[in-house]
Amino acid sequence: EAGVVQSPRYKIIEKKQPVAFWCNPISGHNTLYWYLQNLGQGPELLIRYENEEAVDDSQLPKDRFSAERLKGVDSTLKIQPAELGDSAVYLCASSATQNEQFFGPGTRLTVL
Amino acid sequence: QQQVKQSPQSLIVQKGGISIINCAYENTAFDYFPWYQQFPGKGPALLIAIRPDVSEKKEGRFTISFNKSAKQFSLHIMDSQPGDSATYFCAASMEYNNDMRFGAGTRLTVKP
Repeated sequence: EAGVVQSPRYKIIEKKQPVAFWCNPISGHNTLYWYLQNLGQGPELLIRYENEEAVDDSQLPKDRFSAERLKGVDSTLKIQPAELGDSAVYLCASSATQNEQFFGPGTRLTVL
Repeated sequence: QQQVKQSPQSLIVQKGGISIINCAYENTAFDYFPWYQQFPGKGPALLIAIRPDVSEKKEGRFTISFNKSAKQFSLHIMDSQPGDSATYFCAASMEYNNDMRFGAGTRLTVKP
């Protein structure tokens, strides 16, 4: 069974530029999560989808971050414009059953 | 808001020794307590999890001890091996909404 796929794995951009991350969850997993992981910290939830619906986006900075999950499968997370403080690892996870979440390898973003 | 507090921040153990990582939570509505293992450049991977109806769960060399009254749980790694060197995260969530809260992580180094 293929795991959660994320791309790109690494991204370096100048501040104020836009950036997008892509996630393909495990087949059949209805719930998809985007997390932010700062260096030396645990993951922090940005947004959670149940199928196509964003059911928890309370921690998503909506002035510059947006996300979508068209057709309830793949998802993209976008930052526009990026700021220096956005440098972090962006993790995608998916789950089929309650609680058990499977994580992708993450995208390491560096904003210069 | 940090709802799960993890300690120690880092831990060095000799090969064959016991590694112990502790976590405390605040929200009594949490009903699922997993531990995740993360290697550099990888996403967190579920290691072992427990629900509050049991006080201990063992899988191979890994054991979770759970104290509901104290709102604490811990991970014990028996016969620690250099391959166990990684960052470990405790987490807690509520089954009804999958809202997972992570601890800050413990960086474990097992010396040969």
